[in-house]
Amino acid sequence: AQSVTQLGSHVSVSEGALVLLRCNYSSSVPPYLFWYVQYPNQGLQLLLKYTSAATLVKGINGFEAEFKKSETSFHLTKPSAHMSDAAEYFCAVSDQGAQKLVFGQGTRLTINP
Amino acid sequence: DTEVTQTPKHLVMGMTNKKSLKCEQHMGHRAMYWYKQKAKKPPELMFVYSYEKLSINESVPSRFSPECPNSSLLNLHLHALQPEDSALYLCASSRLPGLTSYEQYFGPGTRLTVT
Repeated sequence: AQSVTQLGSHVSVSEGALVLLRCNYSSSVPPYLFWYVQYPNQGLQLLLKYTSAATLVKGINGFEAEFKKSETSFHLTKPSAHMSDAAEYFCAVSDQGAQKLVFGQGTRLTINP
Repeated sequence: DTEVTQTPKHLVMGMTNKKSLKCEQHMGHRAMYWYKQKAKKPPELMFVYSYEKLSINESVPSRFSPECPNSSLLNLHLHALQPEDSALYLCASSRLPGLTSYEQYFGPGTRLTVT
């Protein structure tokens, strides 16, 4: 069965610092991986997705993620944090042809001025 | 246009009320989803519609009744809810998965409070 583990329910960084949000997945087949962001009282917005075309995926708002099969990881990074990046971030996995998204528990990102 | 709209934005209802949540998308997606999200938790899948037919029901209580009148609209009818049903209800849509899986686009949600 698929599963996603997000290490760290809360990450705090200073403005301008590197953002690193960790995601490890478990899947019996090559996975499709997604990162979503949720701002307070809003829905989820897709940041980026991995669908086997390239291991380094660039998304919106300066975020990127690297798929590492050997480590079963899909960590999200951003070189320089902005105050506007403060939000909840969810990693999700889906099998090929599947309609279900399996979400991680989420990581709340706080940006310190 | 990658927008999924949901109405109402907020809803307060008593345990004996009947209400409906509405969702609309115009991206030509043939898969639509209802999720329930409690505070500080990830979304939980409730229902999936494919080609306007219910394809997945995640053992949701019958007090929640989904409906897909056409390819652009998705409703969730609510009746005799319990206070623990208070949550953010999210609608999403996507292309139908086949040889690949597609991202889901989410609406802003309806904040439901059951009193």
